[in-house]
Amino acid sequence: DVKVTQSSRYLVKRTGEKVFLECVQDMDHENMFWYRQDPGLGLRLIYFSYDVKMKEKGDIPEGYSVSREKKERFSLILESASTNQTSMYLCASSETGLARNEQFFGPGTRLTVL
Amino acid sequence: DQQVKQNSPSLSVQEGRISILNCDYTNSMFDYFLWYKKYPAEGPTFLISISSIKDKNEDGRFTVFLNKSAKHLSLHIVPSQPGDSAVYFCAASQPHYTGTASKLTFGTGTRLQVTL
Repeated sequence: DVKVTQSSRYLVKRTGEKVFLECVQDMDHENMFWYRQDPGLGLRLIYFSYDVKMKEKGDIPEGYSVSREKKERFSLILESASTNQTSMYLCASSETGLARNEQFFGPGTRLTVL
Repeated sequence: DQQVKQNSPSLSVQEGRISILNCDYTNSMFDYFLWYKKYPAEGPTFLISISSIKDKNEDGRFTVFLNKSAKHLSLHIVPSQPGDSAVYFCAASQPHYTGTASKLTFGTGTRLQVTL
């Protein structure tokens, strides 16, 4: 059974803190993605990675960075958390070469920045 | 610029009736369309997909229809069940060059409530 796990289900941080969100997949997928989900806005892509140490900006990268040192792990970093980064963060992975481009999602991390 | 649009934020349907969820897109380069289902506090799960070379794909109670000329797709659920109550996201992908990943562009979602 395919699995994407995220380090925390719920997280509360203070403005200005550095925040790390971790994601691990066990499917040996090349591609990994970070999204945020906000009411009325759907899922918006923050960053993605298509190989170890390779990354590309998504649609809303400002205020975020990522790290992919190992194939199975993709980290999202909020350098200095702000209240407008309060959101549901979703990690996903996918296999290269499939026409359908199905992505498998983790359970999400609900981040609140006070 | 919202390339994938779901204009109905919510839909309520009686159990046993048909649910029809709609999605419109603007990018003619999209060649694959997917529907995801999301329960609260869970990640989205893949439901059904359709290639742009087809106009219909069926999987049990779920059928997706694609009208390329209108840039419109719809998801039909028949019969609707209470367990179908969730948020449904439409997503689309386009061909990409070697050396990067294929991205999905998501709609804003439609919350379906199936009532008894």
